[in-house]
Amino acid sequence: KQEVTQIPAALSVPEGENLVLNCSFTDSAIYNLQWFRQDPGKGLTSLLLIQSSQREQTSGRLNASLDKSSGRSTLYIAASQPGDSATYLCAVPPGGYNKLIFGAGTRLAVHP
Amino acid sequence: ETGVTQSPTHLIKTRGQQVTLRCSSQSGHNTVSWYQQALGQGPQFIFQYYREEENGRGNFPPRFSGLQFPNYSSELNVNALELDDSALYLCATLGGDTQYFGPGTRLTVL
Repeated sequence: KQEVTQIPAALSVPEGENLVLNCSFTDSAIYNLQWFRQDPGKGLTSLLLIQSSQREQTSGRLNASLDKSSGRSTLYIAASQPGDSATYLCAVPPGGYNKLIFGAGTRLAVHP
Repeated sequence: ETGVTQSPTHLIKTRGQQVTLRCSSQSGHNTVSWYQQALGQGPQFIFQYYREEENGRGNFPPRFSGLQFPNYSSELNVNALELDDSALYLCATLGGDTQYFGPGTRLTVL
């Protein structure tokens, strides 16, 4: 059974720091991995999707890496800003099936 | 902006009542999934519909049911509401390999 864990659960940093959020999954037979952002009480916004054949994806200040063999993904946020404050969730579809298994998220606070 | 809308935004019900939540997409994607997100947790998969047929179900009891219509909009129905059903309910459409989520419906069961 696929399980997804995110560390740390919460993070508070000053503006300008570079950050690494971690996601681990127990079953390496994944089709892809997706990172989402969620603002309080809101829906999820897709940030990056990495296919199983890829090692990383980049979008602006965000870079996500994937190591299937070790069951890990990291989301790197460069030069953090207060507007980056949100919960970041990673999710995988088990066995190519289109449902997603989510981690509990990392709650990020970036203060000026 | 994902183009996925949900209604209502908020809803308050009492235990034992029934509720219907709605989801629509401007994109015409034919696969829709529903998720339940309790406070402080990641979303949990409820079920998925593809071309009006249920196409997979998570670990939720039969009192959670759904529909998908020919225009690919969808409903989630929950009967005999329980206090633990209080959560944010999210729908998502599938575009390629990417799931696009709506803003959610916050359900409170008293």
